[in-house]
Amino acid sequence: DTAVSQTPKYLVTQMGNDKSIKCEQNLGHDTMYWYKQDSKKFLKIMFSYNNKELIINETVPNRFSPKSPDKAHLNLHINSLELGDSAVYFCASSQLAGTEAFFGQGTRLTVV
Amino acid sequence: EDKVVQSPLSLVVHEGDTVTLNCSYEVTNFRSLLWYKQEKKAPTFLFMLTSSGIEKKSGRLSSILDKKELFSILNITATQTGDSAVYLCAVGNAGGTSYGKLTFGQGTILTVHP
Repeated sequence: DTAVSQTPKYLVTQMGNDKSIKCEQNLGHDTMYWYKQDSKKFLKIMFSYNNKELIINETVPNRFSPKSPDKAHLNLHINSLELGDSAVYFCASSQLAGTEAFFGQGTRLTVV
Repeated sequence: EDKVVQSPLSLVVHEGDTVTLNCSYEVTNFRSLLWYKQEKKAPTFLFMLTSSGIEKKSGRLSSILDKKELFSILNITATQTGDSAVYLCAVGNAGGTSYGKLTFGQGTILTVHP
């Protein structure tokens, strides 16, 4: 069983579209994250949820909206996609916020 | 703002060499320091170092944390081509407005030639 799973793995879409990425973890962890990784492999935190509550909201355009229906799921919705949104988006989870996090396989988003 | 700086940014060695990767950090409320290995896909967890565990070892990999000087090193002995990857360091924040945040460094690209 995959511990942290994201769908889809690849997403190619046109500018201006709206898209969602789903994430689920079966580790029983309390904290989930969304990270963006650019072409230079730099991982930047976007959001973090602890028990369905938003605890970290970095300087991210409000076109990005996370939703956590329960503590095992954290989805990311992106409105009005722009070329600069192209990146790999990683979901992760950890038992305790700020400790070892386990990552999903990533979603490679390409905006054309 | 929490900050993590890794050095060197890239390193090329031959099989059998020993390498040392560096990570220095600034964090408002230290919870943990983490090392990850990233090959083609997701980062995979290597070590977590905390105030109560400042040295870790697993096979050819080992890491230490110096909380006074605010740095950590990751050592890899007898390197193999399979060690080629990006190595990421991160710090976890325990409180305040950055509670729960994991801040990553820019990574060290390690290439091991046969």
